[in-house]
Amino acid sequence: GQQLNQSPQSMFIQEGEDVSMNCTSSSIFNTWLWYKQDPGEGPVLLIALYKAGELTSNGRLTAQFGITRKDSFLNISASIPSDVGIYFCAGQAGGGATNKLIFGTGTLLAVQP
Amino acid sequence: DSGVTQTPKHLITATGQRVTLRCSPRSGDLSVYWYQQSLDQGLQFLIQYYNGEERAKGNILERFSAQQFPDLHSELNLSSLELGDSALYFCASSAPIAGGPYNEQFFGPGTRLTVL
Repeated sequence: GQQLNQSPQSMFIQEGEDVSMNCTSSSIFNTWLWYKQDPGEGPVLLIALYKAGELTSNGRLTAQFGITRKDSFLNISASIPSDVGIYFCAGQAGGGATNKLIFGTGTLLAVQP
Repeated sequence: DSGVTQTPKHLITATGQRVTLRCSPRSGDLSVYWYQQSLDQGLQFLIQYYNGEERAKGNILERFSAQQFPDLHSELNLSSLELGDSALYFCASSAPIAGGPYNEQFFGPGTRLTVL
């Protein structure tokens, strides 16, 4: 099945550090989304991006929609232990009747207090 | 709590068997999506229903089928199960997101299927 390329695959950082992860695709998307998944839970939406070049923040999280529409990045500033989890990017081609999501391969984030 | 419920939470069965996974969307959401999450394939879209009708199909095997009932709950039926079908199965439902064209998808807690 189709998956977006997401990097890094995992990150082990100290509390207070900033984190950056990115996602690339061979296809153009009209919407980029970033989700977080905690163990035993379903993904939870963090940020949604709708326009090429758009930069959006949600608290300590900042994400950007790449100009080419084929990439996106997520930054987390001043990480805290509860940031631990798996982060997924997702793209939505849009148009038509479906909102199906194509997910990235995920970035596992571990934060040491 | 996303408001999406899925049952059962865990399911252990044998190869060749058939199982049914159930999903209740958030109140008012008309769209239901099914996703499969496995270690080797990641999160993969399976199928979408909107108000009882199939809207889109993804990487869903012919052995799998789904339906959405008049009360909007959905069931995913997996038959002739194989070891490789072991995975987490998520249901999501959607509603329009404020200020955006995207219908935010709310994910349920998932059903962990183990095929022995």
